[in-house]
Amino acid sequence: QQQVKQSPQSLIVQKGGISIINCAYENTAFDYFPWYQQFPGKGPALLIAIRPDVSEKKEGRFTISFNKSAKQFSLHIMDSQPGDSATYFCAASPGNTPLVFGKGTRLSVIA
Amino acid sequence: ETGVTQSPTHLIKTRGQQVTLRCSSQSGHNTVSWYQQALGQGPQFIFQYYREEENGRGNFPPRFSGLQFPNYSSELNVNALELDDSALYLCASSFLGGSYEQYFGPGTRLTVT
Repeated sequence: QQQVKQSPQSLIVQKGGISIINCAYENTAFDYFPWYQQFPGKGPALLIAIRPDVSEKKEGRFTISFNKSAKQFSLHIMDSQPGDSATYFCAASPGNTPLVFGKGTRLSVIA
Repeated sequence: ETGVTQSPTHLIKTRGQQVTLRCSSQSGHNTVSWYQQALGQGPQFIFQYYREEENGRGNFPPRFSGLQFPNYSSELNVNALELDDSALYLCASSFLGGSYEQYFGPGTRLTVT
């Protein structure tokens, strides 16, 4: 049973556009929601994370929006650049415990 | 760079063999978690080590085992390798009792033929 559902599977965005990736979870015990960025042949790199006590967190061009009642969270990448082309994973965990990952979104930013 | 290192980078083994993968955690961290990432999938949790003991396990058979050493580094051992064990094996370093952040190493690509 997949506990974190991620969409879309792939995304193509024009340079300068906004990339939006969505995730939905089932386990109401989840209280930590990170996003990871992974380039081919590399390990996932922690990008930004949110706890459910806030509805939005912004770090540079990256923003997480969180909707606790809908059990959904999303990653917005503003002013998308070709260097942002990578696979993005959402994840969730109930506290300081192992992460449950989504299946990933392959983002391609084209000029 | 996270400060988490893994060795070897790549490994090719034959079905039925045994393999040992190694991970050095980030300075100041006391917990290591291992994940398996199949091609085109998200990482799946194998197990976690804290204070040299297994502190949680995912849905993986007993032929997946591990160790954590006093310096918090860790090993993942897989016995009786199967073709489906071919994957990227990731270790993640964290501090249990502190923030929830987990930092991943570059991974070991295991190919079983």
